[in-house]
Amino acid sequence: DAEITQSPRHKITETGRQVTLACHQTWNHNNMFWYRQDLGHGLRLIHYSYGVQDTNKGEVSDGYSVSRSNTEDLPLTLESAASSQTSVYFCASSEDPGTYLFFGPGTRLTVL
Amino acid sequence: QKEVEQDPGPLSVPEGAIVSLNCTYSNSAFQYFMWYRQYSRKGPELLMYTYSSGNKEDGRFTAQVDKSSKYISLFIRDSQPSDSATYLCAMSAMRGNNRLAFGKGNQVVVIP
Repeated sequence: DAEITQSPRHKITETGRQVTLACHQTWNHNNMFWYRQDLGHGLRLIHYSYGVQDTNKGEVSDGYSVSRSNTEDLPLTLESAASSQTSVYFCASSEDPGTYLFFGPGTRLTVL
Repeated sequence: QKEVEQDPGPLSVPEGAIVSLNCTYSNSAFQYFMWYRQYSRKGPELLMYTYSSGNKEDGRFTAQVDKSSKYISLFIRDSQPSDSATYLCAMSAMRGNNRLAFGKGNQVVVIP
């Protein structure tokens, strides 16, 4: 069955370190998204991609970057981790970005 | 005014009761509407997907859309403890290169 996987599932890091969260989907979807989920804020869009070599900023993109070198993967990099980036991160993909998304299981990131 | 408003709850109901959840929105262009269910420490999973106004039923779940009032609802009949989760509404204006607007989620607890 097609799926989205995220790794690691849990990560503890220190302020200032670079961190990369992996996202891999086997749906063969062109559209991929990264969200963070925090109490009181809900899901907020960080970055998204509509295809290989395409990346776009979402509403909370500062301090994050993505690259899309193939259809299956969209890694999310925190250039210099800050305590404000402690959150749960979800990757998602869709066949059509204006309709429903399929979400991964999430990565719980703690920045100390 | 936020694009999508959703009462965060929590909402506690006895087993077997009807659960009623709703979202209001401000963008009259929205025409694709979704409900996601998210169990604790899991990713959101698509529960219901509707286009434009009307009702859609799937087992114990019914989704309603009232575009004239900019109001969508999710009803869960004969609620079970396994329905305890956070329910998020989401919506978009068009297919293609567009992104979803999410509610913050409503926590539901079904008490045995």
